[in-house]
Amino acid sequence: DQQVKQNSPSLSVQEGRISILNCDYTNSMFDYFLWYKKYPAEGPTFLISISSIKDKNEDGRFTVFLNKSAKHLSLHIVPSQPGDSAVYFCAAREQGGKLIFGQGTELSVKP
Amino acid sequence: NAGVTQTPKFQVLKTGQSMTLQCAQDMNHNSMYWYRQDPGMGLRLIYYSASEGTTDKGEVPNGYNVSRLNKREFSLRLESAAPSQTSVYFCASSSDGVAKNIQYFGAGTRLSVL
Repeated sequence: DQQVKQNSPSLSVQEGRISILNCDYTNSMFDYFLWYKKYPAEGPTFLISISSIKDKNEDGRFTVFLNKSAKHLSLHIVPSQPGDSAVYFCAAREQGGKLIFGQGTELSVKP
Repeated sequence: NAGVTQTPKFQVLKTGQSMTLQCAQDMNHNSMYWYRQDPGMGLRLIYYSASEGTTDKGEVPNGYNVSRLNKREFSLRLESAAPSQTSVYFCASSSDGVAKNIQYFGAGTRLSVL
C-alpha cells in the first residue's frame, strides 16, 4: 500500500517549456514534503521542499505546489533545461521523522 | 567536502554469501539511514539510526542487520545474500537542526546477487 505515488514513470518536455511533475499521497498526517533529483550513478540530491502549512514554495526555476485537500503535490520547472533531465522523487515526512518516497518520474528535456 | 561516502560502489555476490556495506558521513549528523532502490519501487527504508547507539527497522528490514559504529559510521550487513537483495543501496544522513528534514545521500552501492 503505497502512501506516496508518482503515477507517471516518465515525462518528455521541450527545452524552454514548463515541466510539471506530480505526486499524490494518502496520509493526511504528513507534515513536510520534499523533492529530490537523481542523476544516473549518483545519489539523490535535495531540490526543494514545502511545509504542510504552506501551499507554494519557489526557488528560482523550481516551484512546488501543495494542495492538501486533494493530497496532491506538484513540482513546476520553468523554463526546462536539458540539464534538468533526471529522475525526480517526491518524499513525504512522517511525524516520526522518516521520509516516504514515491516511485520516481524520469524527466527528459529535449533541446 | 566528502559528505556521505559509501563503499564499495559495486559488488557481485553468490547466493548465501555475506557482506557488509559501509557508510560514513562527515557532516556531524545524528541520524543515518539505509535505503534500497528497485525499478518502479522508489526508495524504501531498510533501517535507520536516530542517534549513536540506536537503530530501528524501516519498511523492508528482513534479511539485513545494521550497526551504528559511532556517530560517523553506519554499516549494513547481509548475512546470507539472496537474489531478491539485488538492488542499489543508498546511505543517507540528516541533522537535527533547522534542516532536519533534508537527507543527504551517498552515491550508492550497486549489488548483484547471483
